[in-house]
Amino acid sequence: SQKIEQNSEALNIQEGKTATLTCNYTNYSPAYLQWYRQDPGRGPVFLLLIRENEKEKRKERLKVTFDTTLKQSLFHITASQPADSATYLCALGRTGANNLFFGTGTRLTVIP
Amino acid sequence: DAGVTQSPTHLIKTRGQQVTLRCSPKSGHDTVSWYQQALGQGPQFIFQYYEEEERQRGNFPDRFSGHQFPNYSSELNVNALLLGDSALYLCASSLGQGRTEAFFGQGTRLTVV
Repeated sequence: SQKIEQNSEALNIQEGKTATLTCNYTNYSPAYLQWYRQDPGRGPVFLLLIRENEKEKRKERLKVTFDTTLKQSLFHITASQPADSATYLCALGRTGANNLFFGTGTRLTVIP
Repeated sequence: DAGVTQSPTHLIKTRGQQVTLRCSPKSGHDTVSWYQQALGQGPQFIFQYYEEEERQRGNFPDRFSGHQFPNYSSELNVNALLLGDSALYLCASSLGQGRTEAFFGQGTRLTVV
C-alpha cells in the first residue's frame, strides 16, 4: 500500500531562516502533489500544487520541488516568520483517482 | 464569497448512535470530498461526491454513507458509532473531479463517548 512520510513530526527554526520540509512516498506514482497548511482545530489551507512534469513551483516566500525519481518533494519557506508556525501537510493525487493521500504532517515552529 | 462551511462545529455522541454532518461547498464548486482526521494524523479520504453520486470511496466501512444534493451541498452519515470514530471530519470542495486544489471547511469535531 502507498506510504507517505514527512521528514519529521516537528521542526523548530529561527526567525529569518529557511525552513525545509520533506515529503517522501513509496509504492505510488502521483500525477501531482499538493502542500497544505493546517492550524490547530482548523481545516487545511491549500498552498501550492505541483504536477509530475514540473520540477519547481514558487509562490511568494514558498517554493516546492518535485523529484519523481527520488520520490520526494521538498517544501521551502524562506525568511520564515513566527506567523508561519503551523502543521504542513503534503498530499498526493493520482491519475484516475480523485482523492488525496495525505502525509501525517510536520509541525513547524518559528522561534522569534 | 463564502468558503466551505460545515455544521455543526462540535458534536458529542454516544457509542451506537448515528450522526449526520453537513457541508456547503465553496460557491461554484460541484465536487465534495469527505475526510477523517484523527489526532496527530493526516486526513484520510472517506468518499467523494460529484453529480449527486458517490464517485470514489476510501477504505471505510459501510457504516459511513453520504449524499449530495442538487445544490452541491453534502451530508456524511455514520451509523453505529464506535469510540474510534472520534475525529475531526473535514469536507473539501473542488471544481471538477480532482487535479485541482481542494478547499477545506473548518471541520466538525466528533467525540464518541
